[in-house]
Amino acid sequence: EVQLVESGGGLVQPGGSLRLSCAASGFTFSNYWMTWVRQTVGKGLEWVADIKPDGSVRSYVASLKGQITISRDNAKNSLYLQMNSLRTDDTAVYFCVRNSAWSFDRWGQGTLVTVSS
Amino acid sequence: QSALTQPPSASGSPGQSVTISCTGTSSDVGGYNHVSWYQQHPGKAPKLMIYEVTERPSGVPDRFSGSKSGNTASLTVSGLQAEDGADYYCCSFAGSFWVFGGGTKLTVL
Repeated sequence: EVQLVESGGGLVQPGGSLRLSCAASGFTFSNYWMTWVRQTVGKGLEWVADIKPDGSVRSYVASLKGQITISRDNAKNSLYLQMNSLRTDDTAVYFCVRNSAWSFDRWGQGTLVTVSS
Repeated sequence: QSALTQPPSASGSPGQSVTISCTGTSSDVGGYNHVSWYQQHPGKAPKLMIYEVTERPSGVPDRFSGSKSGNTASLTVSGLQAEDGADYYCCSFAGSFWVFGGGTKLTVL
């Protein structure tokens, strides 16, 4: 069974940093593009970043470029999102997502990031 | 990177059909067949319902169908059932990034 389990969320002050992790299991992680999608409370979904299977290509949403870094460790079946200079409007649930057939076919349950003083 | 446009709400009675639209531009919906739809119940993660405009993943009922014309994609739910009540989001590839719609809350009356 495909499983994606996020961790690392929590309360952080504005300007702070956080590193999200996603542990993948039940599939060959190194064969798939992986993505982070976020959802602000009560609002819609926003694509944040994705990364090629070998890690050689990374793409970011324009509004967060320079503030975040997506990475992966295929030996550990893990995906990461380093977030710096966090703002209050970065408060959201962050989902770890698997890409397949040009769509997001498996989602984790999400981890809540709250940016507040 | 503007969001795709969806109606905020839609509704129908059990057994009826409902269509939800998703309007983008020639740079996203109109330019690629990489349009997908997601269902999300409260407190749950989104679930893939349609990919590549018209394709249905294994396990998704054939009551769900997708289509596209120009810059507008559509999701149709036929034979509405109570459990279809949820938020629905469209998504399109846009060349080097992905863009989602704002979401449509489907109410089964």
